[in-house]
Amino acid sequence: EPEVTQTPSHQVTQMGQEVILRCVPISNHLYFYWYRQILGQKVEFLVSFYNNEISEKSEIFDDQFSVERPDGSNFTLKIRSTKLEDSAMYFCASGDINQPQHFGDGTRLSIL
Amino acid sequence: QKEVEQNSGPLSVPEGAIASLNCTYSDRGSQSFFWYRQYSGKSPELIMFIYSNGDKEDGRFTAQLNKASQYVSLLIRDSQPSDSATYLCAVNKGGTSYGKLTFGQGTILTVHP
Repeated sequence: EPEVTQTPSHQVTQMGQEVILRCVPISNHLYFYWYRQILGQKVEFLVSFYNNEISEKSEIFDDQFSVERPDGSNFTLKIRSTKLEDSAMYFCASGDINQPQHFGDGTRLSIL
Repeated sequence: QKEVEQNSGPLSVPEGAIASLNCTYSDRGSQSFFWYRQYSGKSPELIMFIYSNGDKEDGRFTAQLNKASQYVSLLIRDSQPSDSATYLCAVNKGGTSYGKLTFGQGTILTVHP
């Protein structure tokens, strides 16, 4: 069964550094998403992406965050200057017409 | 009022019993409703989705939706220890595929042998 793949599985970064999280959505899916889950808390929406542009973003997704689809397969989330509170699991998800969102295995981001 | 609220749990049921998980949502404009299962340290895994009032069955799982009451539930029949996980209710204002998912805080289910 097709799946969403995310790399790396675990990223450790010093506070203030830039980090890029990578995702390969399911082939032929049109809608792409990033969510995050702080340890012990609920899954929170960050941003959705469709037709090569952001379709919706949450209050969490401030100027420190950006997304990009640099080629036909990858979908990236960049955090420009990481803060301690950015430590979380970051999930990429993709969906298609009448297909619910499927999640990748996630990237655990640890900010030191 | 929380946008999506789930029964707080944890919920503990014996193997073979029916587990009942409940979820209410505040936005009447919500269109589609999802149940995800999340094992500790893992990503959400889709179990079922529903967007019409009534019941939808898939194997041991039944999702129930009542839009008038803004209520969605998940029944797990013949519960197995492998069903032990956190169950996440998620709601979408858009169609099945597009639009952000708003999640509840999850209900921890433990199925004991």
